[in-house]
Amino acid sequence: GQNIDQPTEMTATEGAIVQINCTYQTSGFNGLFWYQQHAGEAPTFLSYNVLDGLEEKGRFSSFLSRSKGYSYLLLKELQMKDSASYLCAVRDPYSSASKIIFGSGTRLSIRP
Amino acid sequence: GAVVSQHPSRVICKSGTSVKIECRSLDFQATTMFWYRQFPKKSLMLMATSNEGSKATYEQGVEKDKFLINHASLTLSTLTVTSAHPEDSSFYICSASLAGGPYEQFFGPGTRLTVL
Repeated sequence: GQNIDQPTEMTATEGAIVQINCTYQTSGFNGLFWYQQHAGEAPTFLSYNVLDGLEEKGRFSSFLSRSKGYSYLLLKELQMKDSASYLCAVRDPYSSASKIIFGSGTRLSIRP
Repeated sequence: GAVVSQHPSRVICKSGTSVKIECRSLDFQATTMFWYRQFPKKSLMLMATSNEGSKATYEQGVEKDKFLINHASLTLSTLTVTSAHPEDSSFYICSASLAGGPYEQFFGPGTRLTVL
């Protein structure tokens, strides 16, 4: 089975940096996604990691360690609009249909 | 970029009626579409995987006779909630992946279903 863990809630200050961690225990691995979801809206793609290391994309970076079953999403220069849920998801290696399994999500609140 | 639409965005219906939700990939062909359900402040729960021209694959615990899925073409999948009841009220989201493309899923804007 698949088990994906991330903190339920986090709070950070505008302009600061926040790191959202995700750990996974899966019977196989074929890539990890991070999605952002604002309340009442659909998720939007942030990043995809399949190899170890850091992927940087503007203010957002995502890191993966396959040996540790660990990833984090790093958000820099936080803005109020970054208040949202952040979903960690792992691609099912035994599915030929790009099936991905979502973690429970981390609700991030940004304070002024 | 790849765009996925859903219709309707909101629907309110009486208990016992059936509701159909459409999911369309607007500018690409999607051999596979996915249907998710999301409760307030919860993550997405995969309901089923829909493959064009074949029967959908349902996740454990999801009633296939309750949630009918049809994927008649490479750009359209439908989810019909049959004999809806208040406990079926939820946010339903579809996604699609590019045929032969990368692994990213593109999500529709979601449908808010309220059953009275």
